[in-house]
Amino acid sequence: AQKVTQAQTEISVVEKEDVTLDCVYETRDTTYYLFWYKQPPSGELVFLIRRNSFDEQNEISGRYSWNFQKSTSSFNFTITASQVVDSAVYFCALRPASGGSYIPTFGRGTSLIVHP
Amino acid sequence: KAGVTQTPRYLIKTRGQQVTLSCSPISGHRSVSWYQQTPGQGLQFLFEYFSETQRNKGNFPGRFSGRQFSNSRSEMNVSTLELGDSALYLCASSLDAKETQYFGPGTRLLVL
Repeated sequence: AQKVTQAQTEISVVEKEDVTLDCVYETRDTTYYLFWYKQPPSGELVFLIRRNSFDEQNEISGRYSWNFQKSTSSFNFTITASQVVDSAVYFCALRPASGGSYIPTFGRGTSLIVHP
Repeated sequence: KAGVTQTPRYLIKTRGQQVTLSCSPISGHRSVSWYQQTPGQGLQFLFEYFSETQRNKGNFPGRFSGRQFSNSRSEMNVSTLELGDSALYLCASSLDAKETQYFGPGTRLLVL
């Protein structure tokens, strides 16, 4: 069975602070995908990134960066110099990459509040 | 390309009624999945359709059903609505089940 844990229910920061959202996962699959989505108040989940389990290279995209560590089953997400527009709920998700059933498992989400 | 669209965006129903929600995927996407999101249970997978066939199903009662048309548009139906069915229903499309899912804005259903 798959499991995704986002231990931080809510994080509150002041604009321009850096913030890291934690994601820890459990799976028996040897190959899998990890995702981060952002859900603003409007409700739509916005895709941010996908990583393959065999690619542990960290990634940076503008103010966003992701740290994937297979040894600790973690896929953390850092926002540098946070902005008010970053306020949203962020979801980490895990999905098998083989086996025929590609049903994703989502974490419970971390609500990020960025104060001006 | 236009994103995933869902209609209606908001819906109010009473217990015992039935409801049909619609989802139009991104052009070229053949896989459509449905999710239920509630504060208590989080995001839960309902089912996934590909080429008009249901390929995966989550752990929901038979009151929840869906279908997919030849143009990949999908509908989900909930019969005999219960108060606990109040939720945000999200549709996601992808080229195939293995590919990244892109979500629509959701339909907020309130059951009174």
